[in-house]
Amino acid sequence: GQSLEQPSEVTAVEGAIVQINCTYQTSGFYGLSWYQQHDGGAPTFLSYNGLDGLEETGRFSSFLSRSDSYGYLLLQELQMKDSASYFCAVRAPSGGYNKLIFGAGTRLAVHP
Amino acid sequence: DVKVTQSSRYLVKRTGEKVFLECVQDMDHENMFWYRQDPGLGLRLIYFSYDVKMKEKGDIPEGYSVSREKKERFSLILESASTNQTSMYLCASSGGTSADTQYFGPGTRLTVL
Repeated sequence: GQSLEQPSEVTAVEGAIVQINCTYQTSGFYGLSWYQQHDGGAPTFLSYNGLDGLEETGRFSSFLSRSDSYGYLLLQELQMKDSASYFCAVRAPSGGYNKLIFGAGTRLAVHP
Repeated sequence: DVKVTQSSRYLVKRTGEKVFLECVQDMDHENMFWYRQDPGLGLRLIYFSYDVKMKEKGDIPEGYSVSREKKERFSLILESASTNQTSMYLCASSGGTSADTQYFGPGTRLTVL
């Protein structure tokens, strides 16, 4: 089967750093993406890791270890507006094409 | 900016009705996707399309069909709606040959009574 595991909820305070982990088990793997979704909003793309290592985009960083089937999203200098759900997604082959397989999402609550 | 629009934000239908959900993207993207989102289950792929008149089943295609007659438009059809199809439906598009960097529409919250 194909599965992605990520924590259901994370709580942090403004200004802090939080790490959201994602482990995956899929038949085939091309890369790991992260999406953010605010309540009532559409998911929006945050980052993509196709190779091992760290990718940094402003306050957000994403890491991938293909040998461990593991990745994480790191959010620094947390702000209230970062309160949202975060989804990891594996890009995997599907019948000659490829698709995204999403985790169940991690709900991040940032408190003052 | 890529814009993906969906025909309705909220929809209420009765069991057995035929339901059409429309999605339009304005960036000439080849790839379009339909997902449903349910609490605790994340986004699950229903169908996707990599070209006009082309469709591929996703992970949960049962009870659904799709149509892509024009590049910019991808329709999801519930032939006979059932209560277990009550959900948030999200359309997405992406360019090139990659499934990465998908751009999502605002979603349609469908309630089947």
